[in-house]
Amino acid sequence: QQQVKQSPQSLIVQKGGISIINCAYENTAFDYFPWYQQFPGKGPALLIAIRPDVSEKKEGRFTISFNKSAKQFSLHIMDSQPGDSATYFCAASKTNRDDKIIFGKGTRLHILP
Amino acid sequence: DTGVSQDPRHKITKRGQNVTFRCDPISEHNRLYWYRQTLGQGPEFLTYFQNEAQLEKSRLLSDRFSAERPKGSFSTLEIQRTEQGDSAMYLCASSLAGGTGELFFGEGSRLTVL
Repeated sequence: QQQVKQSPQSLIVQKGGISIINCAYENTAFDYFPWYQQFPGKGPALLIAIRPDVSEKKEGRFTISFNKSAKQFSLHIMDSQPGDSATYFCAASKTNRDDKIIFGKGTRLHILP
Repeated sequence: DTGVSQDPRHKITKRGQNVTFRCDPISEHNRLYWYRQTLGQGPEFLTYFQNEAQLEKSRLLSDRFSAERPKGSFSTLEIQRTEQGDSAMYLCASSLAGGTGELFFGEGSRLTVL
């Protein structure tokens, strides 16, 4: 049973466009929802994260929208740039227990120059 | 703070051989995690330690896999009698209990079993 489901698997966006990646979770005990960015040959790195007591968090060009009742959250990348081309993972964890993160399967994003 | 470091970065071995990976976490972090990532997939949790205690093991961690963190600092992940299906990137991450919840990942150790 996949606890965190992510879509789409791959995404191609024109430079300057908006990239949107969606995620759904099942376990209501999750209390931390990060997005990780991974470049080829590198480990994942935290991009932005949200907790369920807020519906939106924005950091620069990156925004997480969170819908607790629907158990869904999404990443929006505004003004997408070729340097944003990477694989993005949504994830969830229960930080009141441990920091073990459950990852989605990833979205490979390609920004056309 | 040099981040999480993993060694070796790449390992090619023949089926049936044993391999060992080492992870040095961020020095003040008391939690350490091992994940496995195959091509085109997200990282999958294998096991985690708080200080020297191994608190959880995934069902993915077969009897051929063993992890240790003897002094609560660095950790090793050993795979005995490797199989071709063990070929993957093995990622180590660390965090501070009671912190933000962020896991800090190393760059991984890529294993290829021939």
